[in-house]
Amino acid sequence: DTEVTQTPKHLVMGMTNKKSLKCEQHMGHRAMYWYKQKAKKPPELMFVYSYEKLSINESVPSRFSPECPNSSLLNLHLHALQPEDSALYLCASSQEETSFVYEQYFGPGTRLTVT
Amino acid sequence: AQSVTQLDSHVSVSEGTPVLLRCNYSSSYSPSLFWYVQHPNKGLQLLLKYTSAATLVKGINGFEAEFKKSETSFHLTKPSAHMSDAAEYFCVVSDRTDSWGKLQFGAGTQVVVTP
Repeated sequence: DTEVTQTPKHLVMGMTNKKSLKCEQHMGHRAMYWYKQKAKKPPELMFVYSYEKLSINESVPSRFSPECPNSSLLNLHLHALQPEDSALYLCASSQEETSFVYEQYFGPGTRLTVT
Repeated sequence: AQSVTQLDSHVSVSEGTPVLLRCNYSSSYSPSLFWYVQHPNKGLQLLLKYTSAATLVKGINGFEAEFKKSETSFHLTKPSAHMSDAAEYFCVVSDRTDSWGKLQFGAGTQVVVTP
């Protein structure tokens, strides 16, 4: 089973709200990723977790806070977002962090709208 | 540094006719190359990958791609388009430029299939 699940599918939040996005995989993968995708654009990497530790932060604003509670779960906590943060947020996982060896499997995404 | 160029931003084909999506890459190392498909409001699905094995790679749903080192190309083809092939397609490269192999996405090719 090569499935990555994400909840919720859609989220509308105000600029003062706090919300969380959740991602789960049961493939035994040790690397998990958050991407942001704007309309008609390719995904942009935000964070990489490897063996439950934050490995890469692509200079993402602190209003986005990732968390990896265990090897199967990845959360993205959102606070004080701006309207320009509205996008499709994609989670992905791979067997290991080395993407030139191990392909990434993507979830269906959470469509976030910030009002 | 690694980079990838998708030569067509938009491709329109008739159902039952061949599909060709063109991709050129640049890499300082032996690259891994991937094609992903994204249907509207969905996540990315891996179609196929090349990782220095056979140069002709067969993927899911009848797609295949040929790695040509001399031309630095990795074009995606399908003999007969189906209506369900209408989607955005991303060519992706990864190599050892950075230690873990960050995915470098092309800008994407929008495929429209007409009856």
